[in-house]
Amino acid sequence: NAGVTQTPKFQVLKTGQSMTLQCAQDMNHNSMYWYRQDPGMGLRLIYYSASEGTTDKGEVPNGYNVSRLNKREFSLRLESAAPSQTSVYFCASSEHVLRQETQYFGPGTRLLVL
Amino acid sequence: QKEVEQNSGPLSVPEGAIASLNCTYSDRGSQSFFWYRQYSGKSPELIMFIYSNGDKEDGRFTAQLNKASQYVSLLIRDSQPSDSATYLCAVKEEYGNKLVFGAGTILRVKS
Repeated sequence: NAGVTQTPKFQVLKTGQSMTLQCAQDMNHNSMYWYRQDPGMGLRLIYYSASEGTTDKGEVPNGYNVSRLNKREFSLRLESAAPSQTSVYFCASSEHVLRQETQYFGPGTRLLVL
Repeated sequence: QKEVEQNSGPLSVPEGAIASLNCTYSDRGSQSFFWYRQYSGKSPELIMFIYSNGDKEDGRFTAQLNKASQYVSLLIRDSQPSDSATYLCAVKEEYGNKLVFGAGTILRVKS
């Protein structure tokens, strides 16, 4: 049981390049999330998927797209990377248990855009 | 825009002392509240959640919730150097499953 996995762990891009961050969970969770974390700003929600086949914007969706490929996988795509997208990206998944809504996080992807 | 506010710290406490971390939130309808611990370079991990007014204890950790004051806190008793981390407060929105995170408080426990 690996929990939430993310690939790659680290990536360097040049401005304008594209890439896809991959996320997978093996906990049979319905909901999945993509966050970015910048120094002093905590975790900010980029996109989320409440269930397979649905996606919604979060707080900071501009410059990103997502795909909920199946119940296990949720990818994040940067079509044309910008230096402002340098950040640490976390994927999370959650189960709905009354009001508990515990989110489990992957190890993160550190992205540097030059 | 729903907000969750935390003092960024760092909060420094001596080993064995009680560390008190605080969080306020703006969404009066919020029902569930979470504390995550994040070590440097690692991902957040859940340590406590609370949804009823009052105190909830789990080992050395106690979460306190006061919905009237829109205030939630985390007490860490007998603080250890291994408790040194950033503590993130998160609030579940009244409708839907999203969490809103505070920026986190850095805790340093000195031996």
